[in-house]
Amino acid sequence: SAVISQKPSRDICQRGTSLTIQCQVDSQVTMMFWYRQQPGQSLTLIATANQGSEATYESGFVIDKFPISRPNLTFSTLTVSNMSPEDSSIYLCSVTQGAEGYTFGSGTRLTVV
Amino acid sequence: GEDVEQSLFLSVREGDSSVINCTYTDSSSTYLYWYKQEPGAGLQLLTYIFSNMDMKQDQRLTVLLNKKDKHLSLRIADTQTGDSAIYFCAESRGGGYQKVTFGTGTKLQVIP
Repeated sequence: SAVISQKPSRDICQRGTSLTIQCQVDSQVTMMFWYRQQPGQSLTLIATANQGSEATYESGFVIDKFPISRPNLTFSTLTVSNMSPEDSSIYLCSVTQGAEGYTFGSGTRLTVV
Repeated sequence: GEDVEQSLFLSVREGDSSVINCTYTDSSSTYLYWYKQEPGAGLQLLTYIFSNMDMKQDQRLTVLLNKKDKHLSLRIADTQTGDSAIYFCAESRGGGYQKVTFGTGTKLQVIP
């Protein structure tokens, strides 16, 4: 299965600033997914990123707040913009393995102070 | 929309069996998954089952599916301290490229 490298693994950021999270996959994949896991909660899909097209955002998430880049088939970034303490979460990228489900990165633990 | 529910917490003694339960609402669910999340880590796919199956066994793991009741369970035999983690049930309507909905997660605590 694919191996995903995600960085940074954690960060503490000041409110009002932005953080860009990177996700590198060891094989070419068509679709990459970005999730948010708020403290003590399940995973919520933020957006789906396809190479060569704009990301598709889920209800409640907008491009201005969470811009995504997908420059090639092995890499994607998610930016959390103008951060507030409510953005403190774990952010995970994921790729599909076909019917066998999804592979996840190790996550970025973000704390906004 | 789709909804997946799990109990929040389960505590078992080492060597006993653990049973983690999950219910879902989407009658069109085709694939059902169990993921494991250890502290500070991402999610690891443990196993999955197609909706036309009622049981799948993989070493210490047994998945049971009652499609009529929309109930999924994960049984871990001979539970070890290394099994302590949060376990997420998830469902999708199709493999791979379909949206996956995750449950709330069950924290399994294994007591030595």
